Order: sequence, then C-alpha cells, then structure tokens
Amino acid sequence: GAVVSQHPSRVICKSGTSVKIECRSLDFQATTMFWYRQFPKQSLMLMATSNEGSKATYEQGVEKDKFLINHASLTLSTLTVTSAHPEDSSFYICSAIGGASYNEQFFGPGTRLTVL
Amino acid sequence: QKEVEQNSGPLSVPEGAIASLNCTYSDRGSQSFFWYRQYSGKSPELIMSIYSNGDKEDGRFTAQLNKASQYVSLLIRDSQPSDSATYLCAVGEGNQFYFGTGTSLTVIP
Repeated sequence: GAVVSQHPSRVICKSGTSVKIECRSLDFQATTMFWYRQFPKQSLMLMATSNEGSKATYEQGVEKDKFLINHASLTLSTLTVTSAHPEDSSFYICSAIGGASYNEQFFGPGTRLTVL
Repeated sequence: QKEVEQNSGPLSVPEGAIASLNCTYSDRGSQSFFWYRQYSGKSPELIMSIYSNGDKEDGRFTAQLNKASQYVSLLIRDSQPSDSATYLCAVGEGNQFYFGTGTSLTVIP
C-alpha cells in the first residue's frame, strides 16, 4: 500500500509560537492531500484540502490565516499552526490520494501537538 | 449536508465470532466507499474499499455495498482481540470524502 509520513510525530510548544508539520507521500505522487484534526474521543474533522501548486480549500470555521497550508510538490504538504494557543492542542493527521489507487485515501501517522 | 451515519457502539463480540459494522449514507451520487480501522491514539488505516454493489472479501474482512439502500457494511470473521478498535466508514465523491463518527468494537477474549 501507499505510504504517507508525517514529521514530527509529537511536538510541545509554548503559547504564541508557530509549529510546522510536514506530510510526505513516500512512494507515490499525491494529487491531493488532506489535513484533519482529531480531539480525544472525537471523530476526524477535515480542516482543508490541498492540491499541488494551488491554494488550499479550507472547511468552514477553519481560519486560513492561522492554519497555513503549502502544497509545494506532489510529495510534500506542510501545515503551519501560527501563534498556537492551548486550544490548538490536538492530533493533526494528513492524508493523501494519488497513484494506482486513484482515490483511496492513505493517512500519515499523525502529529500530536501540545501547546503549553 | 452529506451525511454518513454509523452506530457509535460500543459493539462487543466474543473472540471467534463475527462482528458486523453498519453504515448508511445520504447522497445517492456517492461513488466510492471505504472502511478504516483506527486504534486508540493512532491514525486511521485503510482496510477495504468497495465501488460496486455486492460483496468484496479480503481475508477475514468482507465489505458489502447496497447502493439502492445506501448502505455499506463490514463483516469481520473470526474476530480477534487485536481487532478491537474504532472502525470508520467513509464515502467518496471524486476528491471529496465524508466520514462517519466511527463504531467502537471490542473483541472479548
């Protein structure tokens, strides 16, 4: 199956700082990547959809100036949480589609963000 | 609003039994259907994808799709304690995907 990596797996930062999370498709070219957030014992919440070379499409209620997404290549998307606050603490998961399984979505392992 | 509904559970089955997970969706235009398994604290893992009516089997897993009834299910045969997880149903239309809230499954040894 297709492999998606995320880095870092875990990050702790101080309130007011920015955090960048990388998502890479390792063995396929990802036409589209997705960013999700998941709070404990809650379901996945789609934050945004990004296509290589174009601006991300954000879901309603997600602040695009706070959650900056850059899909620089067919294998890399980044999510930057700017001016993080404790309420941004969550599990951030990326996923990607592309390759032979044209619309099967493969998830990265996730990044657990804790904002102090 | 496109909806994907799952019984949140928890669903408990004894080891060796068949676990049956169900999902309904609201949009008749949906084209692709997926089951994901998510262990606590981990990200979802794709188990099955199904695109046409009928059954699709992969090892102990069988996905069943009935587009007329807008219903997709996942059967897990010979359930094992390692199958204990939350199972997410997802429905796709092109590059848009809609997830259910998941069903928690516990397999009792």
